[in-house]
Amino acid sequence: GEDVEQSLFLSVREGDSSVINCTYTDSSSTYLYWYKQEPGAGLQLLTYIFSNMDMKQDQRLTVLLNKKDKHLSLRIADTQTGDSAIYFCAERGGGFKTIFGAGTRLFVKA
Amino acid sequence: EAGVAQSPRYKIIEKRQSVAFWCNPISGHATLYWYQQILGQGPKLLIQFQNNGVVDDSQLPKDRFSAERLKGVDSTLKIQPAKLEDSAVYLCASSLDPRAYEQYFGPGTRLTVT
Repeated sequence: GEDVEQSLFLSVREGDSSVINCTYTDSSSTYLYWYKQEPGAGLQLLTYIFSNMDMKQDQRLTVLLNKKDKHLSLRIADTQTGDSAIYFCAERGGGFKTIFGAGTRLFVKA
Repeated sequence: EAGVAQSPRYKIIEKRQSVAFWCNPISGHATLYWYQQILGQGPKLLIQFQNNGVVDDSQLPKDRFSAERLKGVDSTLKIQPAKLEDSAVYLCASSLDPRAYEQYFGPGTRLTVT
């Protein structure tokens, strides 16, 4: 079945770049997403990429998609303490159902 | 534009009791989703509505969970009777329609079953 996997933890120093990786299994994915979840809050869509793209940049965020390897990454440049949160990778398949990974908890050290 | 509203924010119940959660989606959004997020996991879709009809409830434990969306606006999710493993955050989300790329999430209801 469909599955999304990502590493559970990442720790970086303030000002460094963060790279969060994700792999997925559904080759018919149409959209791939990165959501951010802060404590006690719902999920906030950070960015998304359409499956026929290989890169998308939005201010400090860069998304890279390797469709052949079914690998998605999120790079956050100049990481700040306010970026500390859980980041969820998600994919939407042909049936419009969104499957989420377990989330990567990002710790930013001052 | 008001976001997705959910209540209550927190609920503690004993096992075998009943509980209900309420969601008010963004105005004009035809599609409404209920997700279960167990601690340390990503959200898992329980049920999806298109207006007041069910589109997907394949992962809803129908022996104890029920949901409705009367008049195609607000929705309630009920658990009866609750089990310890139902402890989770229940997230409601909405989108303009099933094809819309973005879902908007509410803050969630944290349920603890003791």
